[in-house]
Amino acid sequence: EPEVTQTPSHQVTQMGQEVILRCVPISNHLYFYWYRQILGQKVEFLVSFYNNEISEKSEIFDDQFSVERPDGSNFTLKIRSTKLEDSAMYFCASSVGGRSYEQYFGPGTRLTVT
Amino acid sequence: AQTVTQSQPEMSVQEAETVTLSCTYDTSESDYYLFWYKQPPSRQMILVIRQEAYKQQNATENRFSVNFQKAAKSFSLKISDSQLGDAAMYFCGNGAGNMLTFGGGTRLMVKP
Repeated sequence: EPEVTQTPSHQVTQMGQEVILRCVPISNHLYFYWYRQILGQKVEFLVSFYNNEISEKSEIFDDQFSVERPDGSNFTLKIRSTKLEDSAMYFCASSVGGRSYEQYFGPGTRLTVT
Repeated sequence: AQTVTQSQPEMSVQEAETVTLSCTYDTSESDYYLFWYKQPPSRQMILVIRQEAYKQQNATENRFSVNFQKAAKSFSLKISDSQLGDAAMYFCGNGAGNMLTFGGGTRLMVKP
């Protein structure tokens, strides 16, 4: 069964460094998402992406964050200058359609900022 | 704006018994949908069940069913014949457009 994959599974970085989290969505999916989950807290929406542009974003998704689909398969989340509070699990998801189509989640990347 | 509240941080159930997880929500959207995701220890989010808010009939997926009370803004999940593999965090949520809003989660423990 097709699945969303994410690399790396765990990323450790120093405060102020740039980090890129990578995702490979399911191949026939057209909508892509990033969510984050700070340890012990709820899963929070960051951004949705369709047709090579951001379709929705939350207040969390400020200028420090950017997303890109650099080729036909990868979907990336870049954090320009990481802060301690960026430490979280980051989940990528994809769906074949928008709105209420099922969003398939990847296994997540644990980001630790020291 | 959308908010989702799960008032039960933890629940436990005996294997083969039935358990109901509570969820209430608030939304300013007229066109929205509701869902439950499961997050086992592997931490991957897995869709359990979803329902369009305009549908009156409660959704059912095998042992999982919902009780949707639109006027009360309540969307509880019933798990019948609980199995050890059901042990996980369960997140209720709603969606409008492409954005999903999750509740704080309920940890379900299943006792053998």
